[in-house]
Amino acid sequence: QQQVKQSPQSLIVQKGGISIINCAYENTAFDYFPWYQQFPGKGPALLIAIRPDVSEKKEGRFTISFNKSAKQFSLHIMDSQPGDSATYFCAASTYNQGGKLIFGQGTELSVKP
Amino acid sequence: DAEITQSPRHKITETGRQVTLACHQTWNHNNMFWYRQDLGHGLRLIHYSYGVQDTNKGEVSDGYSVSRSNTEDLPLTLESAASSQTSVYFCASSDPITSPGEQYFGPGTRLTVT
Repeated sequence: QQQVKQSPQSLIVQKGGISIINCAYENTAFDYFPWYQQFPGKGPALLIAIRPDVSEKKEGRFTISFNKSAKQFSLHIMDSQPGDSATYFCAASTYNQGGKLIFGQGTELSVKP
Repeated sequence: DAEITQSPRHKITETGRQVTLACHQTWNHNNMFWYRQDLGHGLRLIHYSYGVQDTNKGEVSDGYSVSRSNTEDLPLTLESAASSQTSVYFCASSDPITSPGEQYFGPGTRLTVT
């Protein structure tokens, strides 16, 4: 019940295309859903996050879509650029768990020029 | 600027040896976390702490221990290193009041157990 399942494991997109990464969770107590971006040799860094009281959050080219009834959320990267090539992790947590995050397995995104 | 650092960045050790990985943060965050990252498994929580003298086990805590004697540091100790503990280890911290789910990660320690 604590798992977060992420797909696909890897993704290749042409420059200018849309990258879509999906995550599903089981624990309905989760109330915070962040996405982290990790470049090779670096630690993950928070990219964008959403709470379940909204269905979508957009920051620049990055959008989270959230479907509470389906217990799914996804990251959309519009106009994908080679600089977006990185590993992306979805995660989930409950506020009263002190920010302890459960991470998905990660998606390695490669944007081809 | 506040930061979180890890040392060493790379470590090679032998099976059975005790190893300690250091994590130091200057954010003054009460929450600190240790993860290991392995291909296909994402980031898995080893141990975490919500403040001085507080430590808790994560999902993959066997063979690891932590101690929290001050706010800034959370060292991770491998009591008797095993080849299965070859991995990249990340430390993270977060502010439990303003944004507990927003974790700041260190640069990682690549550990090889031979």
